[in-house]
Parts: sequence; structure tokens; C-alpha cells
Amino acid sequence: AQKVTQAQTEISVVEKEDVTLDCVYETRDTTYYLFWYKQPPSGELVFLIRRNSFDEQNEISGRYSWNFQKSTSSFNFTITASQVVDSAVYFCALGSSYKLIFGSGTRLLVRP
Amino acid sequence: DTGVSQDPRHKITKRGQNVTFRCDPISEHNRLYWYRQTLGQGPEFLTYFQNEAQLEKSRLLSDRFSAERPKGSFSTLEIQRTEQGDSAMYLCAGRGGSETQYFGPGTRLLVL
Repeated sequence: AQKVTQAQTEISVVEKEDVTLDCVYETRDTTYYLFWYKQPPSGELVFLIRRNSFDEQNEISGRYSWNFQKSTSSFNFTITASQVVDSAVYFCALGSSYKLIFGSGTRLLVRP
Repeated sequence: DTGVSQDPRHKITKRGQNVTFRCDPISEHNRLYWYRQTLGQGPEFLTYFQNEAQLEKSRLLSDRFSAERPKGSFSTLEIQRTEQGDSAMYLCAGRGGSETQYFGPGTRLLVL
């Protein structure tokens, strides 16, 4: 079975704190993709990053970084020096063949 | 801006009525997906088109649901005899040559 687990339902931090959102996935496929999307209050899902199963290199983009570890089936997302505009629901998703399987999301609240 | 538009953005209807939603991806999106998202959950896959061919349908898509993509461009999702359990956000996503799905703003349906 394919599954994505985001155990953190809600996280609250104060602006400028670092925060890590956890994602654990299950799949038997050898080739797959992992994604993170952001969903602000407006509701639109905004694509953040895609990694394929053969590329375990960590990635940094500005204040965002991602840690992909196949050994633990995890794809965690860290926001450094969080800002109020980072407040949103963040979804991790597993892509295999034709569809995306989403976790239940982590709501991040960044307080001023 | 992903280039994927959806219409309407909001729909309120009475139980038993039929509703139709439209999705317009960009021309490069030969693949088109529909997802449903209920409150507090991640999006769930409904159906998938490659050009005008509907290739996959989830078991979530009951007989009351039908989707079309007649010319391989825009797509429609119709729900007949709506029920209160159909209340959700309906999301459309387009995909071109990469593995990334780009989402539209969604249609929020409320069935009274």
C-alpha cells in the first residue's frame, strides 16, 4: 500500500524560529517522486519541490531546505528564520505512476 | 500563477441538484487530474485524463460523478443528484512533460 504520513497536525512558532515539517512515506515502487506543496488560506496548492527516488541529495532554496532519506522513508522540510507569510498548510505527497497521494497536512502558524 | 483556472470558484447548491465545474489548463498540460479535498484532509485523487482519454478513475468517483475532456483541452466534472457529503473543494491539476502537477485555485462546493 502507498501512504504518506504527516504526524504533526499543527505547529506554532514565533517569527524567526526555524521549523521542520516531517513526512514519512510508504511505497513498494522502486521509482517514485516526492513533493511538497503549500496551501495558503486562499486554498490554491502551490508547488514547492519535487525529488525523484534516485536523487537523495538535500536541497536548499533560500530559507527552505529539504532532507530526503530513503533509509528511513522520510522527506522532511525545514524553514529557516520563519516569517508570518509562511503561515499555511503544508502537504507532502508521493507520486507514483499517474497520481499523487497526499498526507493529511501540517498547519504552520508563524506568530509575529 | 500555474496557468490552471477553474470556474466557478464557489458553488452553493441544494441537495439533489446537479452541478458542473470547469477546469482550463494551459496548452502544454496534456495530462489533467481531478482531486477532492475535504476539511482538514489532503487532496484525494478522483480521475485522470491524458489528452481526451480518461485513463483512471478512483473508486471515490461514484456513478453520480462524470468527467470529460472532449478536445483534450478544458475538462468538466459533473455531479448529479448532489448529497451533503459531496461538500468539498474540487481541485484540478495540469501536467506537461515533467512529473509535477500544477493546481488550479479549486472550486469550493457547499451542498445544503
